[in-house]
Amino acid sequence: DTEVTQTPKHLVMGMTNKKSLKCEQHMGHRAMYWYKQKAKKPPELMFVYSYEKLSINESVPSRFSPECPNSSLLNLHLHALQPEDSALYLCASSLTRGALWAFFGQGTRLTVV
Amino acid sequence: GIQVEQSPPDLILQEGANSTLRCNFSDSVNNLQWFHQNPWGQLINLFYIPSGTKQNGRLSATTVATERYSLLYISSSQTTDSGVYFCAVSLDSNYQLIWGAGTKLIIKP
Repeated sequence: DTEVTQTPKHLVMGMTNKKSLKCEQHMGHRAMYWYKQKAKKPPELMFVYSYEKLSINESVPSRFSPECPNSSLLNLHLHALQPEDSALYLCASSLTRGALWAFFGQGTRLTVV
Repeated sequence: GIQVEQSPPDLILQEGANSTLRCNFSDSVNNLQWFHQNPWGQLINLFYIPSGTKQNGRLSATTVATERYSLLYISSSQTTDSGVYFCAVSLDSNYQLIWGAGTKLIIKP
């Protein structure tokens, strides 16, 4: 199984809603990542978890709250988002944080209304 | 910081054509990767190629580290090759990639 599975694939939420994005991998990878990608732009790194501990937070607003409950799961909790947060959110995993080959999920297309 | 520039920004070709995509980077790197993002958003690693040449089927890549550029070749293009091709580099082992802006490739049947 070389898949990173993200749910939901699409999400529309209001600015007062609370929602969560989910990412799952069963490859035994110990590093997991959240990226944000705006249209026609490359992905931007948001968070890195290494061995279930947050190791990088790229100055992301607190309305985005990551969580790594175990080595296979990564969540991104969303609350009080703004319309400019609408984007494709990609999850990725790699064997370790220093590993050079990462597998990406298909992403969640988020629209904030 | 390091700059990564890709060219051309857009490329439209007929099925069966060959193409060359270029990635220039402004400093020495110890990691360079090529990715393909399909129209549905799926991002897939194509090559890890900090130097030298690699081939995988119809795709091949060459990186000339001393001259700070990499080329991705696609031969006999198919419509499934459409999407955005990204080059990304990193300077250390922390996998913090610096991405180019991408080349959008459209293959027409």
